[in-house]
Amino acid sequence: QQQVKQSPQSLIVQKGGISIINCAYENTAFDYFPWYQQFPGKGPALLIAIRPDVSEKKEGRFTISFNKSAKQFSLHIMDSQPGDSATYFCAASTTSNTGKLIFGQGTTLQVKP
Amino acid sequence: NAGVTQTPKFQVLKTGQSMTLQCAQDMNHEYMSWYRQDPGMGLRLIHYSVGAGITDQGEVPNGYNVSRSTTEDFPLRLLSAAPSQTSVYFCASSSPGRTGTDTQYFGPGTRLTVL
Repeated sequence: QQQVKQSPQSLIVQKGGISIINCAYENTAFDYFPWYQQFPGKGPALLIAIRPDVSEKKEGRFTISFNKSAKQFSLHIMDSQPGDSATYFCAASTTSNTGKLIFGQGTTLQVKP
Repeated sequence: NAGVTQTPKFQVLKTGQSMTLQCAQDMNHEYMSWYRQDPGMGLRLIHYSVGAGITDQGEVPNGYNVSRSTTEDFPLRLLSAAPSQTSVYFCASSSPGRTGTDTQYFGPGTRLTVL
């Protein structure tokens, strides 16, 4: 049972374009939604996170959009750069059970120069 | 700070062998977790700990044991390795922030192959 579903599995975007990755969750108790970025041979690193009390959070070129009623959230990368090429994971957890992140399947992003 | 360290980086085992993956953190984090990463599956939680002496199971705990005798260390034991345990294993640590956020810091991973 996959509690967090992520799509697409892979994504190719031209430099300067917008990359969009989507996630859907099932457990309505989830109240913390981070995105992690992973480069080959490295461990994942936190990119940006959101809580359901806001519908959008922006940090530089990265934006999370959150739709509580649809139980969906997405990552938008504006002005995508070749250095953004990596695997991106969405995740979810509850505040009472931090440390128990449930991850999506991952999206491999390639930004072409 | 070294952050989260994992040893070994690579390991090859034969079916039935046992081994321990080491994980240490120097950030005085209360929470530590073990995940395995498999293609198309994302990262799946194996076991986690909210403090010394306290552990609990994650999504895929079968075949693995953990203990937490100190805040710094959280070893993962494979009791009798099976080919299905071929994976990349990540250890992570975190500390609940004042606002309740939980940034997990991941180690570099251990790539395990079971023949």
